[in-house]
Amino acid sequence: KNEVEQSPQNLTAQEGEFITINCSYSVGISALHWLQQHPGGGIVSLFMLSSGKKKHGRLIATINIQEKHSSLHITASHPRDSAVYICAARYSGNTPLVFGKGTRLSVIA
Amino acid sequence: NAGVTQTPKFQVLKTGQSMTLQCAQDMNHNSMYWYRQDPGMGLRLIYYSASEGTTDKGEVPNGYNVSRLNKREFSLRLESAAPSQTSVYFCASRPGWDTEAFFGQGTRLTVV
Repeated sequence: KNEVEQSPQNLTAQEGEFITINCSYSVGISALHWLQQHPGGGIVSLFMLSSGKKKHGRLIATINIQEKHSSLHITASHPRDSAVYICAARYSGNTPLVFGKGTRLSVIA
Repeated sequence: NAGVTQTPKFQVLKTGQSMTLQCAQDMNHNSMYWYRQDPGMGLRLIYYSASEGTTDKGEVPNGYNVSRLNKREFSLRLESAAPSQTSVYFCASRPGWDTEAFFGQGTRLTVV
């Protein structure tokens, strides 16, 4: 069964810290997505990547195909970054996304 | 600039009642999805529609039915609600398979 595993489940950080959230998956993905779920419940897409690295503001997403691993980094974290971060994989073929359970991040001022 | 719109936002049902969750997108996307989100679990796919006129079961389809009414609208129906269907439901859409997903704001459903 194609699965997506995230770690840690919960993360508390002080404002300004560098944060890393990890995602591992089975073989054969065609794309890896990172999403953010706000405390109010809305879900937004942050990144979609199949190789290398992408950056948007203070957020950086990387993927290592050989190690079947992706990371989401947040530099200079801020309380407004507090949210649940979700990793999702699209496996080969026309298949829907498979979601991880999410990482709940709290950034304290 | 509506994106994906779900209605209602909140609903309380009694066991055995039926209801339909509505979802509409104004981005001309081909694919639409219904997920449920439960504490401690990731988003789980209930049903999806890869294109207008097609629907397929996801991971947890039992107790649900769907209709892809047209390209814009994809509804989820609970024929006889059960407490196990208490959850937050999300509708999503994507232009194609290798594209980002856009989500609605969610519907919090409680079945008592």
